[in-house]
Amino acid sequence: GDSVTQMEGPVTLSEEAFLTINCTYTATGYPSLFWYVQYPGEGLQLLLKATKADDKGSNKGFEATYRKETTSFHLEKGSVQVSDSAVYFCALRGSSGGANSKLTFGKGITLSVRP
Amino acid sequence: DVKVTQSSRYLVKRTGEKVFLECVQDMDHENMFWYRQDPGLGLRLIYFSYDVKMKEKGDIPEGYSVSREKKERFSLILESASTNQTSMYLCASSPQGGGNQPQHFGDGTRLSIL
Repeated sequence: GDSVTQMEGPVTLSEEAFLTINCTYTATGYPSLFWYVQYPGEGLQLLLKATKADDKGSNKGFEATYRKETTSFHLEKGSVQVSDSAVYFCALRGSSGGANSKLTFGKGITLSVRP
Repeated sequence: DVKVTQSSRYLVKRTGEKVFLECVQDMDHENMFWYRQDPGLGLRLIYFSYDVKMKEKGDIPEGYSVSREKKERFSLILESASTNQTSMYLCASSPQGGGNQPQHFGDGTRLSIL
């Protein structure tokens, strides 16, 4: 079945540091890939997505590129802020609708950014 | 914007009680989902529904049931609550169609079973 593997956390960085959060996946066909973010006390919000190989999703300074050859979708940001402190989830979704509309999530990683 | 509303942010119930968690979405989405979130385990899918009165088991359905009588509402039911069901519960919805449609989440219900 489908699976998503995220790097172990938590991660603590100083403000303005470079961020990379690794995500690799196993899936059949051509899944869509997502990064979700969960701020303290809130539900998950879509951060960015990519739907085919070599697509780059971007939002709020974060980027991730869909790499089919390495089955990866690593999240990066050039300069993190304290307000980026949150839990980050990588997820994939199968390529058809109906019963395959469900998402498969990684375990999430907590990012803390120090001033 | 899509709005997914969960009826309670915090809920405290006792062992053996029947517990109802309600979720309503306002964007006419066909698909609705219930997850639980636990530290170190991420999100795990309990049940989902892709149409009114349709339901499918997710990865951890034991001890739970669901109801989808109307398109906009998806209820999660704990038939006889147990302490190991203490968790954060998240509801989500998405439109029908291909895999590029994201899911939209509610703010979650933190359920404690005493």
